[in-house]
Amino acid sequence: TQLLEQSPQFLSIQEGENLTVYCNSSSVFSSLQWYRQEPGEGPVLLVTVVTGGEVKKLKRLTFQFGDARKDSSLHITAAQPGDTGLYLCASGSSNTGKLIFGQGTTLQVKP
Amino acid sequence: DAGVTQSPTHLIKTRGQQVTLRCSPKSGHDTVSWYQQALGQGPQFIFQYYEEEERQRGNFPDRFSGHQFPNYSSELNVNALLLGDSALYLCASTRGSRNYGYTFGSGTRLTVV
Repeated sequence: TQLLEQSPQFLSIQEGENLTVYCNSSSVFSSLQWYRQEPGEGPVLLVTVVTGGEVKKLKRLTFQFGDARKDSSLHITAAQPGDTGLYLCASGSSNTGKLIFGQGTTLQVKP
Repeated sequence: DAGVTQSPTHLIKTRGQQVTLRCSPKSGHDTVSWYQQALGQGPQFIFQYYEEEERQRGNFPDRFSGHQFPNYSSELNVNALLLGDSALYLCASTRGSRNYGYTFGSGTRLTVV
């Protein structure tokens, strides 16, 4: 069974700082998704990466997929209080439609 | 276009009781998956329903069961509730049983006392 490890588990920073969240797997990802979840809400998909070495940008968020497809990172530039939430990586299988989630990174951005 | 709708939003039950949670998938979606999420943790896959059948199951005991109706809506039933069943229960829908492009509902917060 594939395991996803996220680091750090908790991050508390000041508005305007940069941060990076990491997601590592015990085996090769078929694809990787990043979600953001706010308290009392379900996860909302941010991006899906499928190709090794792929980089995707979403405004101030930059997502990278490792060349070997066993790791991924999410970098946020100039964090804002609205970025506060639980960031989850998840591995999806086109064979089963099942998602395996990491344990998440709780981000708090203080004004 | 309504997204995934779950009811109720919050629920308090006593240990040993039974509970039923409900989910209406996003319009056009025919596959429903259920996840359990403990506070501050990532969601854990419970099971998936497609064509009114359970297609996949995660590492959850038989106390957890479900059903999918002809209109693609779904129910999650948990019997003999334990304190450890307290969690956010998420429903996610997609089109096709092998598509992991899910839309999640806001969840049902279950508290077992």
